[in-house]
Amino acid sequence: QVQLVQSGAEVKKPGASVKISCTASGYTFATYVIHWVRQAPGQRLEWMGGINAGNGDTKYSEKFQGRATITRDTSASTVYMELSSLRSEDTALYYCARGPIVAAIFDYWGQGALVTVSS
Amino acid sequence: EIVLTQSPDTLSLSPGERATLSCGASQSVNNKYLAWYQQRPGQTPRVLIYGASRRATGIPAKFIGSGTGTDFALTIDGLEPEDFAVYYCQQYSTSPPTFGQGTRLEVK
Repeated sequence: QVQLVQSGAEVKKPGASVKISCTASGYTFATYVIHWVRQAPGQRLEWMGGINAGNGDTKYSEKFQGRATITRDTSASTVYMELSSLRSEDTALYYCARGPIVAAIFDYWGQGALVTVSS
Repeated sequence: EIVLTQSPDTLSLSPGERATLSCGASQSVNNKYLAWYQQRPGQTPRVLIYGASRRATGIPAKFIGSGTGTDFALTIDGLEPEDFAVYYCQQYSTSPPTFGQGTRLEVK
């Protein structure tokens, strides 16, 4: 069955960076996009960006352009999302989610990784 | 970006009743590129509907999506205990994909 397994919770200081992983299994990795969606406390779900796992093409929300970097390791069926210059407002649950290449629909989700930014 | 506004914020109903959740868009969602997700407490979101009215794999027929343009709805017939959750709409017509703020469906 399709599974997306994310790395664990992180606590970071303001200004630091965090890198979260998402390891896929149960399907052909290269034929889908992996997206990153976050949910801050009391806020709506927010799309950050995504990577075509086959060709490595990335797309980012303007809000995170320059601060988020999404990469993949096809040999490990793993996608990484690094967010830099962290601030308290980045405290959130970060999900990876799978979607078809043709449309940003999220059909399978990782369990989420809580990132807490605090001094 | 397209802003989605869901109503109501909270809907209180009894098991067996029908729920109707609304999702309004700040501009037209082309090609009916709208999805609905269910998020039960402690679980990740699960896609129910895409293309405004197409049920995702394994989703029962009691979940009915409708609408076009800027007005969409999710109807749930015959509420069961496991249906009480938070529901989100999401558009994928234009980038960035965006979500509504969610409707909490609670037991009356």
